[in-house]
Amino acid sequence: GESVGLHLPTLSVQEGDNSIINCAYSNSASDYFIWYKQESGKGPQFIIDIRSNMDKRQGQRVTVLLNKTVKHLSLQIAATQPGDSAVYFCAENRNGGFKTIFGAGTRLFVKA
Amino acid sequence: DAGITQSPRYKITETGRQVTLMCHQTWSHSYMFWYRQDLGHGLRLIYYSAAADITDKGEVPDGYVVSRSKTENFPLTLESATRSQTSVYFCASTTANIEKLFFGSGTQLSVL
Repeated sequence: GESVGLHLPTLSVQEGDNSIINCAYSNSASDYFIWYKQESGKGPQFIIDIRSNMDKRQGQRVTVLLNKTVKHLSLQIAATQPGDSAVYFCAENRNGGFKTIFGAGTRLFVKA
Repeated sequence: DAGITQSPRYKITETGRQVTLMCHQTWSHSYMFWYRQDLGHGLRLIYYSAAADITDKGEVPDGYVVSRSKTENFPLTLESATRSQTSVYFCASTTANIEKLFFGSGTQLSVL
C-alpha cells in the first residue's frame, strides 16, 4: 500500500524525455552514496551507487553525479519510461558505518 | 533465489497487543536492518544486527525488541503495540561491507 509522504517533491516529465532528480546530502564525512527506487507497495530497490572518489558513474539509462563541494547528488534518467514512475531516494553512508541516511525522496511522474 | 522475505504482508492489531514481524534472507548477509516508513519521516532505522546474536539500536528503537538467533532470521517484536507504531516496516540486509541494502516488500501494520 501507499506509504510515502504526500508532500514529497515531485517531478513530472514526458515519456521519452530525460529526468534529473536532485538531492542534497548532510554529512561531509559520507563517502558512499546510493540511489534507490521505490514503486508503490514495494520496498526500495537499488539503482546505482557512487563513491566519493568519483564524480560521475553511469549505468543502464541512469547516471549519478556527485558534487562534494556543495554536497549535492543527482540522478539522471535517460529516455524516461512509464515504468520509471516511482519515488526516488538518495542515501548516504560512511564507509563501514552501520547507518544509511535516507533523503526524503522525490516522486517522479511520467506522462505518456 | 528467494532473497529477502517479510511476513505478514498486512497486519491489523489492537493497542496493547504483542506483534511479531518476520524477516528471512537467503543470502547469508551479515547485516540486517529494520526500518519504518511514515508520512513525512521517510525511512528511519529501528534496529540493526551485525551478525547472529549481535543487535543494536537505531534511531527509533523504543517499543521494539529484536533477536537474531540465526543469521537468516531477524524478527521484530512490538511488545505492546501503540497507535504511533502504525507504519510500514521494511527489513533489509547487506554484506559485511555495508554497501547497498536489499529490502523486503514490507509489512503494513495498523494498530487500532
